[in-house]
Amino acid sequence: DAGVIQSPRHEVTEMGQEVTLRCKPISGHDYLFWYRQTMMRGLELLIYFNNNVPIDDSGMPEDRFSAKMPNASFSTLKIQPSEPRDSAVYFCASSFPSGGPLVDEQFFGPGTRLTVL
Amino acid sequence: AQSVSQHNHHVILSEAASLELGCNYSYGGTVNLFWYVQYPGQHLQLLLKYFSGDPLVKGIKGFEAEFIKSKFSFNLRKPSVQWSDTAEYFCAVKPNTGTASKLTFGTGTRLQVTL
Repeated sequence: DAGVIQSPRHEVTEMGQEVTLRCKPISGHDYLFWYRQTMMRGLELLIYFNNNVPIDDSGMPEDRFSAKMPNASFSTLKIQPSEPRDSAVYFCASSFPSGGPLVDEQFFGPGTRLTVL
Repeated sequence: AQSVSQHNHHVILSEAASLELGCNYSYGGTVNLFWYVQYPGQHLQLLLKYFSGDPLVKGIKGFEAEFIKSKFSFNLRKPSVQWSDTAEYFCAVKPNTGTASKLTFGTGTRLQVTL
């Protein structure tokens, strides 16, 4: 399996522009998580989905952020408009907790390093 | 809600030294516990996990962690570190609800191993 795939790996944009980050979870995983990592705040959960349905979006910082999961193999995190303080590494992770006791391990993608100028 | 504390923010060790990184959590019920490692420029990888049973858990690359329920702790240990262990280490906790729920991560400990 290729693991969790994220694109792009690096994104540099200007303040005010729309940014879309993409994630393909591991096939068969039914949970998908979006995290943001910064030096100041560490690793924060933004939102997670189960079977394509958002379960908890309490970590989404504000209305400029939105996330969708139109099908089991694809999710997007969109920032519109972007601001310099959104600069961070955004990780996507997936897990398959229905597989018995040794479950609930989250597999992380390589991340997207976002720089907003 | 659960929380995780990692008191060591930056640790510097010489090769072959022993390592212990502290992790304490706060939650009133049963938990699942994890240690993840992030090598420079890479994504998080699972080192080891505790779900139930033997509180001493062995992971990859010679790491182990001990769950001490009475102390709400899950410290990570390695008898002899190598230069390649230089990385950031994250402790994480989630309630053991039988379904997925969000992992709560600590702020991380940056380990620097010198030659």
